[in-house]
Amino acid sequence: DTAVSQTPKYLVTQMGNDKSIKCEQNLGHDTMYWYKQDSKKFLKIMFSYNNKELIINETVPNRFSPKSPDKAHLNLHINSLELGDSAVYFCASSLYRGPLSYSSYNEQFFGPGTRLTVL
Amino acid sequence: KNQVEQSPQSLIILEGKNCTLQCNYTVSPFSNLRWYKQDTGRGPVSLTIMTFSENTKSNGRYTATLDADTKQSSLHITASQLSDSASYICVVTREGLSNTGKLIFGQGTTLQVKP
Repeated sequence: DTAVSQTPKYLVTQMGNDKSIKCEQNLGHDTMYWYKQDSKKFLKIMFSYNNKELIINETVPNRFSPKSPDKAHLNLHINSLELGDSAVYFCASSLYRGPLSYSSYNEQFFGPGTRLTVL
Repeated sequence: KNQVEQSPQSLIILEGKNCTLQCNYTVSPFSNLRWYKQDTGRGPVSLTIMTFSENTKSNGRYTATLDADTKQSSLHITASQLSDSASYICVVTREGLSNTGKLIFGQGTTLQVKP
């Protein structure tokens, strides 16, 4: 009955490889997000999708490509992995993005994270 | 520049003691402020959320305060327990250009509660 799940939990790979991280939420939420948490613990948003439509795309290298097959899934594909991509990647979801940026509608529920290590 | 700064960076206290974590922000325009708890190896979990009109909000032994004039918030933990050991992250939502409410995260305070 996990709310937001991610796979894999750990990912170790060589520079130059291509890898994917999958995220699924069973909360019935409309909006999903990808965050990157670096070694200094800062969380930074990368992408946000609302009902399969891309709504936030921060300054992220185009080696990162999100894909939302349906509103319950948001996968992250990374091409040509670099050492600096090593981090923990968190998926999150929220009920509603809309004009009301306050309220519990906008509370985000996070997945357990995927620790990516690029060697 | 929109920033959220937390202090202290880390804190060690004895079980049963109280502690207060600080958060200062320069985010504008301000929408709301959240405190999250992140256990090691887990994703953040929301503790409280406050708008500019709310001064205090409690969730069990956690009490958050907000001073929108000075742009400061605090999280007070009462009668700490070993399970309170975690990172506590202050997150400010900014009214986005397209009303997406972009979140600005602080770097967190790592709290360790010792027996």
